[in-house]
Parts: sequence; structure tokens; C-alpha cells
Amino acid sequence: EVQLVESGGGLVKPGGSLRLSCAASGFTFSSHSMNWVRQAPGKGLEWVSSISSSSAYIYYADSVKGRFTISRDNAKSSLYLQMNSLRSEDTAVYYCAKFGVWLSWFDSWGQGTLVTVSS
Amino acid sequence: QSVLTQPPSVSAAPGQKVTISCSGSSSNIENNYVSWYQQLPGTAPKLLIYDDNKRPSGIPDRFSGSKSGTSATLGITGLQTGDEADYYCGTWDSSLSGVVFGGGTKLTVL
Repeated sequence: EVQLVESGGGLVKPGGSLRLSCAASGFTFSSHSMNWVRQAPGKGLEWVSSISSSSAYIYYADSVKGRFTISRDNAKSSLYLQMNSLRSEDTAVYYCAKFGVWLSWFDSWGQGTLVTVSS
Repeated sequence: QSVLTQPPSVSAAPGQKVTISCSGSSSNIENNYVSWYQQLPGTAPKLLIYDDNKRPSGIPDRFSGSKSGTSATLGITGLQTGDEADYYCGTWDSSLSGVVFGGGTKLTVL
């Protein structure tokens, strides 16, 4: 069974930094592309970033480009999101999600971790 | 403002059928596969439909997907109270080089 478990969320001040992690199990992590998707309180889904299986290809939403960095460690079956220069509008539940096929659909989701940016 | 346009809400009685539309453009829906997600209250999204009209294992055939040009549709038949949820469409946008979602549709089963 595929399991994706996010961690690292919390309360941070505007301008601060936070690093999210996603521990994957139940599938061959190194063979699959991964993503971060977020959802602001009471709002819809917003794609944040995608990374290919070997980290060769990475995409970011314009709203986070230059501030967030996605990475992965295939040896540890883990996905990361380094978030810098955080803004109040980054407040959201952040989901780790697995692509079924590169740049396609999200076939598995974690339970999410809440990031709150507030002074 | 979402790149893909969905109605904010739809409703129908138990046992009835409902459709949810998702409108986009040539850079997203028309030339890329569409997927649909169900998000029950307080839970993570779940894949319902992929590649426009395919169902993952475990998804009942009451759920169906279709696409024509720049629009896609999710159909749900035999509505149950347990289907009350938010539904999202999503696809790759070749111009934006990113995944785009609809704003979500809240389904109420009266």
C-alpha cells in the first residue's frame, strides 16, 4: 500500500523559512515523479512543484518560483520542499502527491501538513 | 482565479445523476489528459478519473469522465449521501508548464 507522510509544518513569521518532508513507502520511490500541492484554508487546490524521478526535471508554480526549492533523496525515499521568504499567502495545507505518469495525474496523496505564516 | 472553470456548486437528490463541467483552453484540456479528484470533508483529495475517462481500481462505475475540445465533464450516477464532497478537475498546462486545477465544485446530495 502506498503511504505518503508529510511533516515539518508549523507556525512561521513572514519572511521566515521552513522545510517540509514527505516520507514515502509501499512503492519504488526512485521510479516515480513527485509533487507538492497546497490548499489554503477554505480554498481550492493549487499545484506548487513537480520533480522527476531522477531530479533531472523540476517545475514550479509562478507564485513560489525563486522562493521554494523541491528536492528528493531516493536513497531515503523522501521528498522535500524548502520554503524561504514565506508570505501570509503561503498559509495552507501542503500535500505530497505522487504522479501516476510524469506530468499527468496524482494517484496518491499524503494527509497533508499545515503551514501557517503569521506574525 | 483558476485557469480551469468549474461551477461552484451542484446538487441533486439521492439516486439521481449529476454532471460537473470543467472548462479550459487549447493549452490545457484540449491537448492534455484530464483527471478528477474527490475531496471529502477534512480529508486529502482522492483520484477518481485519469486520462479523461479511466477509473482507478476501486472506483465504482457510477463515476465517469468525458472530454470534448476544451471542456471535460465528470458524471456521477446513483447519487449517495456519501458522495457529498468537493470535486476538482486538473490537467497539465503546456503554456504555463505546470499543473492547473479547477476552482472546485461542492456537491450536495439533498
